Amino acid sequence: AQKVTQAQTEISVVEKEDVTLDCVYETRDTTYYLFWYKQPPSGELVFLIRRNSFDEQNEISGRYSWNFQKSTSSFNFTITASQVVDSAVYFCALSEAYAGGTSYGKLTFGQGTILTVHP
Amino acid sequence: DTEVTQTPKHLVMGMTNKKSLKCEQHMGHRAMYWYKQKAKKPPELMFVYSYEKLSINESVPSRFSPECPNSSLLNLHLHALQPEDSALYLCASSQGRTVAEKLFFGSGTQLSVL
Repeated sequence: AQKVTQAQTEISVVEKEDVTLDCVYETRDTTYYLFWYKQPPSGELVFLIRRNSFDEQNEISGRYSWNFQKSTSSFNFTITASQVVDSAVYFCALSEAYAGGTSYGKLTFGQGTILTVHP
Repeated sequence: DTEVTQTPKHLVMGMTNKKSLKCEQHMGHRAMYWYKQKAKKPPELMFVYSYEKLSINESVPSRFSPECPNSSLLNLHLHALQPEDSALYLCASSQGRTVAEKLFFGSGTQLSVL
């Protein structure tokens, strides 16, 4: 069974601080995909990143960066110089990956981390 | 156009009512999804349509009835709901070409069942 744990329920920071959101996952699959989604107060989930299990390179996109470590089954997300607009719920998710067509969208989500950035 | 549009944004219904939620996308995506999200919880997958055919039903009660009239539209028909069905219902779409695709979500319909 797959499981995603986001141990931080809520994080509160002041603008311009750096913040790291933790994500630990469990899976028996050797091939899998990891995601981060952002859910602002407007409700829609916004895709941030998708990483497959064979690609352990860290990624940076503007103020966002991700650290994928298979050895510790972690896929952490760091926001540098946080801004008020970063306030949202952030979900880490894990997707199985097997042929057959029935694994579309079967994401296992973590419980989410509520990030509040104060001015 | 990279939007998934859901209507209505808010819906209040009694337990004996019949209502429908609508989802539309014009990105040429061939996979569409319904998720249910309770407050302060992650989304839970309900249904997946692939090329207008139902491919996944996550053991959802029959009072929820999905329909995919064409590749751009996805409906969720509601009948005889219970108060515990109150939640945010999110529609999503993806290209439908491979597994574990990036999902595009709508803003959801906030449903209250009285």
